[in-house]
Amino acid sequence: AQSVTQLDSHVSVSEGTPVLLRCNYSSSYSPSLFWYVQHPNKGLQLLLKYTSAATLVKGINGFEAEFKKSETSFHLTKPSAHMSDAAEYFCVVSAPSNDYKLSFGAGTTVTVRA
Amino acid sequence: DTGVSQDPRHKITKRGQNVTFRCDPISEHNRLYWYRQTLGQGPEFLTYFQNEAQLEKSRLLSDRFSAERPKGSFSTLEIQRTEQGDSAMYLCASSPGQETQYFGPGTRLLVL
Repeated sequence: AQSVTQLDSHVSVSEGTPVLLRCNYSSSYSPSLFWYVQHPNKGLQLLLKYTSAATLVKGINGFEAEFKKSETSFHLTKPSAHMSDAAEYFCVVSAPSNDYKLSFGAGTTVTVRA
Repeated sequence: DTGVSQDPRHKITKRGQNVTFRCDPISEHNRLYWYRQTLGQGPEFLTYFQNEAQLEKSRLLSDRFSAERPKGSFSTLEIQRTEQGDSAMYLCASSPGQETQYFGPGTRLLVL
């Protein structure tokens, strides 16, 4: 079985300040982990993915995430938020034991204050 | 690579009507997935195909739902006798095997 818990349903930051989105996962096998972003009325865009290589993963638009097996976490960070980062963010897990089907967290809504 | 496309982008229908959605995956991607996303929730897996073979259907997919992928290219998702609870965003994704899934823009369904 696999699942994801996003610890914050909503995060509000000021433009130019750091962003932290927290994610914990559960998987019975070595998982692949992803962060996707969804802007209003748009599809899902891949930000970054972890697939058992380097534990610090860099993605698009200045985002990065660190895989911590001991803490079963995969938190997403960005040093300086931009207005265009306002969106819904999903932490996602997949594993070979589940034939790589994706299991999504409930999402974190990010708002950015000017 | 033109990305995953879905048609229509929006659909409003009356309860009891049938609707059909289409998904065109990235060319040469042999896997195609359907997900459903309701308001305020993350997407949930519905079904997926390896080429033309439908490998699994979620228990979320009632008998009113059917999906096909003839010739292993585009896919259709049909909902018969729609209910208000079917209102959601229907997302399609494709992948080149057991790799990253790339999503289309989705079809938003509203059942009145």
